[in-house]
Amino acid sequence: EVQLVESGGDLVQPGRSLRLSCTVSGFTFGDYAMTWVRQPPGKGLEWVGLIRSRDNGGTTEYAASVRDRFIISRDDSKSVAYLQMNSLKTEDTAVYYCADSGARGYDYYMDVWGKGTTVSVSS
Amino acid sequence: ERVMTQSPATLSVSPGGRATLSCRASQTVSSNLAWYQQKPGQAPRLLIYGASTRATGIPGRFSGSGSGTEFTLTISSLQSEDFAVYYCQQYHNWPLTFGGGTKVEIK
Repeated sequence: EVQLVESGGDLVQPGRSLRLSCTVSGFTFGDYAMTWVRQPPGKGLEWVGLIRSRDNGGTTEYAASVRDRFIISRDDSKSVAYLQMNSLKTEDTAVYYCADSGARGYDYYMDVWGKGTTVSVSS
Repeated sequence: ERVMTQSPATLSVSPGGRATLSCRASQTVSSNLAWYQQKPGQAPRLLIYGASTRATGIPGRFSGSGSGTEFTLTISSLQSEDFAVYYCQQYHNWPLTFGGGTKVEIK
């Protein structure tokens, strides 16, 4: 069974940093692109970014709202994807989901989602 | 950036009825469109990709259509478990973008 479990959510002050983890089981993690999506309280879904598989370059894409502040990385040996969030703002408050975007190497929709982890940014 | 606009924001449907949800892209996304279902307190679930292909395990009452800039998700014979929020998402261009969602509620 495919499982994605996010962790690391917390209450942090504006300007601080936080790292989220997404631990995966049930598929060959290294073959898959991984995506982060967030959802502010009571609002819709916002795509945050993606990291391709190593075979597809391991490169990343980001939403404009987080580029230069957030970094997505992966450790294929541990089957974990990370979201490093720096210079956090109050508007980054959201539930953060990770999702797998397939081993296709293209067509980056989100196949299976984790349950999410909550990040609150407040002084 | 492709802006995705969903309508209506809220749709009231009787159980057993038919729901038709729309998603419009600001520029063509070809058939690179997915639909997701989200129930309160849960993560989204993939329903449709490629505009019209049902994901694994999705019942046949869910169908998607369209290409270019106009897309439709149809739910025939709504069941109680179908009342939820539905999002479209384009994966034609970076950044990937979601629509604002349509809430399907019980009439």
